[in-house]
Amino acid sequence: KQEVTQIPAALSVPEGENLVLNCSFTDSAIYNLQWFRQDPGKGLTSLLLIQSSQREQTSGRLNASLDKSSGRSTLYIAASQPGDSATYLCAVEADAGNMLTFGGGTRLMVKP
Amino acid sequence: ETGVTQTPRHLVMGMTNKKSLKCEQHLGHNAMYWYKQSAKKPLELMFVYNFKEQTENNSVPSRFSPECPNSSHLFLHLHTLQPEDSALYLCASSQSDSPHGSNYGYTFGSGTRLTVV
Repeated sequence: KQEVTQIPAALSVPEGENLVLNCSFTDSAIYNLQWFRQDPGKGLTSLLLIQSSQREQTSGRLNASLDKSSGRSTLYIAASQPGDSATYLCAVEADAGNMLTFGGGTRLMVKP
Repeated sequence: ETGVTQTPRHLVMGMTNKKSLKCEQHLGHNAMYWYKQSAKKPLELMFVYNFKEQTENNSVPSRFSPECPNSSHLFLHLHTLQPEDSALYLCASSQSDSPHGSNYGYTFGSGTRLTVV
């Protein structure tokens, strides 16, 4: 059974810092990995999708990497802003399809 | 309307009530999902519909009953729920051109916040 772990569970940083969120998964037979953002009481917003054949994806100040063989992904946020405050969720889709397994999330607070 | 739309946004129901959650996707995707998000727990997959056929139910209690009348609409019918069923229920959709997985990832709706009293 796939298990996804996110570290740290919570993070508080001053505005402007570069930061790294970590995600690990136990079964490397994945089809893709997706990072989401969730604001309190809201749905999920997709940030980045990395297919299993890819090593990284970038969108603006966000960069996500994938090391499938070691079961790890990182989300790098450059020059953090208060508007980045949210919970960040990592999810992997099994190679068999139609099964997205989520980590517990990292709750990020960026202080002005 | 674009993306995935869920109604209602909030729902309070008694344990003897019957209610339904609705989800509609405007993306032309061929798979739809129900997820449950409880406090301090990771999102849990409840149901999957791929090409309108249910392919996963993950041992969900029978008081939750899904319905997928077409590839754009998904319902979750609720009856005789328990207070512990209070949670955020999220609908998602994806496009899969192979059995192996989604091409462009999953798109989620804003969720229905359900409170059972």
